[in-house]
Amino acid sequence: GAVVSQHPSRVICKSGTSVKIECRSLDFQATTMFWYRQFPKQSLMLMATSNEGSKATYEQGVEKDKFLINHASLTLSTLTVTSAHPEDSSFYICSARDGTPNNSPLHFGNGTRLTVT
Amino acid sequence: QKEVEQNSGPLSVPEGAIASLNCTYSDRGSQSFFWYRQYSGKSPELIMFIYSNGDKEDGRFTAQLNKASQYVSLLIRDSQPSDSATYLCAVKTVRGSTLGRLYFGRGTQLTVWP
Repeated sequence: GAVVSQHPSRVICKSGTSVKIECRSLDFQATTMFWYRQFPKQSLMLMATSNEGSKATYEQGVEKDKFLINHASLTLSTLTVTSAHPEDSSFYICSARDGTPNNSPLHFGNGTRLTVT
Repeated sequence: QKEVEQNSGPLSVPEGAIASLNCTYSDRGSQSFFWYRQYSGKSPELIMFIYSNGDKEDGRFTAQLNKASQYVSLLIRDSQPSDSATYLCAVKTVRGSTLGRLYFGRGTQLTVWP
């Protein structure tokens, strides 16, 4: 089946620093990837849609200058949390589909647990 | 975010029983529905997806969809302790600027006790 690899799985950083999270589709090409954030005991909240070769589309309320998304190739999307603050501590999960939007489910990476101290 | 509602539970059933998980959605135009299972601290894993009204069975799992009522459910037969997890209902948008995006409910926590 389709495999999505996410790295790192866990990161601890100091307030004010930036953190980059990578999401790779290992055995398929993904023109679109999605970035989600999940706080404890909450649902997955869609942050942005990452499109290969073009700008990401952000959901309402998500700061595009704070959460930088780059989708430079068909197998790699990155999310950079800039000037991280403790309230950015969360579980970040990327996902991708290996087919057209109407007939393929999303496959998720293993997630990145970010802790900002 | 599109509204996807689930009873957060917790839902507790004995081993061997049927667990019934429910989900409603607000976007009447939605056409694709997914159930994911998420263990604590892990990312979601796909259990089933359903597109058409009616039932879809896969092993111990049955997804049921009623588009008129904007309702989708997941039945787990012969529940096992290993089924204990949070079950997420997800709905895929099919129109406009949000085409193809997947929106999740809060999830229902299921506990299967031996």
